[in-house]
Amino acid sequence: EAQVTQNPRYLITVTGKKLTVTCSQNMNHEYMSWYRQDPGLGLRQIYYSMNVEVTDKGDVPEGYKVSRKEKRNFPLILESPSPNQTSLYFCASSSRNTIYFGEGSWLTVV
Amino acid sequence: AQSVTQLDSQVPVFEEAPVELRCNYSSSVSVYLFWYVQYPNQGLQLLLKYLSGSTLVKGINGFEAEFNKSQTSFHLRKPSVHISDTAEYFCAVRDQGGSEKLVFGKGTKLTVNP
Repeated sequence: EAQVTQNPRYLITVTGKKLTVTCSQNMNHEYMSWYRQDPGLGLRQIYYSMNVEVTDKGDVPEGYKVSRKEKRNFPLILESPSPNQTSLYFCASSSRNTIYFGEGSWLTVV
Repeated sequence: AQSVTQLDSQVPVFEEAPVELRCNYSSSVSVYLFWYVQYPNQGLQLLLKYLSGSTLVKGINGFEAEFNKSQTSFHLRKPSVHISDTAEYFCAVRDQGGSEKLVFGKGTKLTVNP
């Protein structure tokens, strides 16, 4: 079954404590991306990757890092989380016109 | 660059009434168009997409959308809504070229009242 898996699904953390949200896909897709969803703003792209070792900034990259060492994994790293990074995060994997989203990670930074 | 405008942030309707959720886009290149639904506290689900061909696209749960190139619109419709259609709906666009980036609208909250 085609799947994008994100972890953790829910997390409450404190300001400044580094965290990583993992994302894994089983479809051998080259393109992967991260979005954040905020009330009234819709979804905005944070970072994307067109292939292994190829990553680039999306529309709202500040405060985030990513890496793509393997095709299937695309972790999102918050080196020093701040309250304005409290959001719902989606990982996506796509090929041609089929886009698969993970189930979302609800992150709260206090 | 593309942009998407969802003209209504909230749409309240009564059960069994028809509904239209409006979406306009802006792009200098040809695009593909999508509608997603997000039920409360859940992830995103694809309702329908327009890639090419017939401008009237049918999706899941009785929804349909019509692509109008001259008006750069992709409005979502359902002839008779149910309480269970209460959700947030997102219109999205991506260009037909190399980028697979989806650009989303800000969402429309549909509330179906009994």
